[in-house]
Amino acid sequence: GNSVTQMEGPVTLSEEAFLTINCTYTATGYPSLFWYVQYPGEGLQLLLKATKADDKGSNKGFEATYRKETTSFHLEKGSVQVSDSAVYFCAPRDTGRRALTFGSGTRLQVQP
Amino acid sequence: DVKVTQSSRYLVKRTGEKVFLECVQDMDHENMFWYRQDPGLGLRLIYFSYDVKMKEKGDIPEGYSVSREKKERFSLILESASTNQTSMYLCASSPHYLAGASKNIQYFGAGTRLSVL
Repeated sequence: GNSVTQMEGPVTLSEEAFLTINCTYTATGYPSLFWYVQYPGEGLQLLLKATKADDKGSNKGFEATYRKETTSFHLEKGSVQVSDSAVYFCAPRDTGRRALTFGSGTRLQVQP
Repeated sequence: DVKVTQSSRYLVKRTGEKVFLECVQDMDHENMFWYRQDPGLGLRLIYFSYDVKMKEKGDIPEGYSVSREKKERFSLILESASTNQTSMYLCASSPHYLAGASKNIQYFGAGTRLSVL
C-alpha cells in the first residue's frame, strides 16, 4: 500500500522567507497527489493537487510539482506570511483507491 | 460550497460509554470517511462508505463501527469508549471516482475532539 514521508516540523520561518516542505511517497499504482492545510481549530482543506506526472498544482502562492521519477511532491512558496501558519499534509491517493494516505503533517510557524 | 458538518466540536465521555459521532454532507457525495488525527501520526482511516449501507474497514477499525442509513449521513460508533480513543475525529466526503481525477477531492468537516475519561 501507500506510505508517505514528510519532513518533520515544526518549521519556523520569518515573514517573506522561502518555504519548502518535502514529501516523498510510495504507491503501487499511479497516484493523484494532494496537499491539504489545517489552520488552527479547523478541519483540513485542499490546498492544491496534481493528477499526472509533471503537473504543477498551485494555489495561494503555493506550488508543488508531481515528480514521478523521484516519487516526490514537494511544497514550495516564495514568500510566506504569518497567515500561512498551519499544519500541512501531503496525501497521495493510489489508482482505484477511494481513501487518501496522509503524511504525519508538518507544522509551519511564520513569525512577523 | 461543499459543507461537511460534524455534530459536535467537543465531547467528553466516560470509559465504557457508547458514543455516537455524526457527520452530514450536503453535496450528494457517494463516499464518506472517518479518520482520527493524533499528533505525530497524521490522519489514519478508520472506516469509509461508498454507498448507503455499504462500508469498508480502513487501517484502524478496531473498537469502532459505522452506520450509513442515508446518503448524506455517516455515523461513527464507539461501542465501549476507552481512554486510548481520546483523539480528534475528522469526517470527509468525496464524489464517485467516475467524476474524474480532477474532481475527486475529499472535503472535511471541522472535527470532533473527543476526550474519554
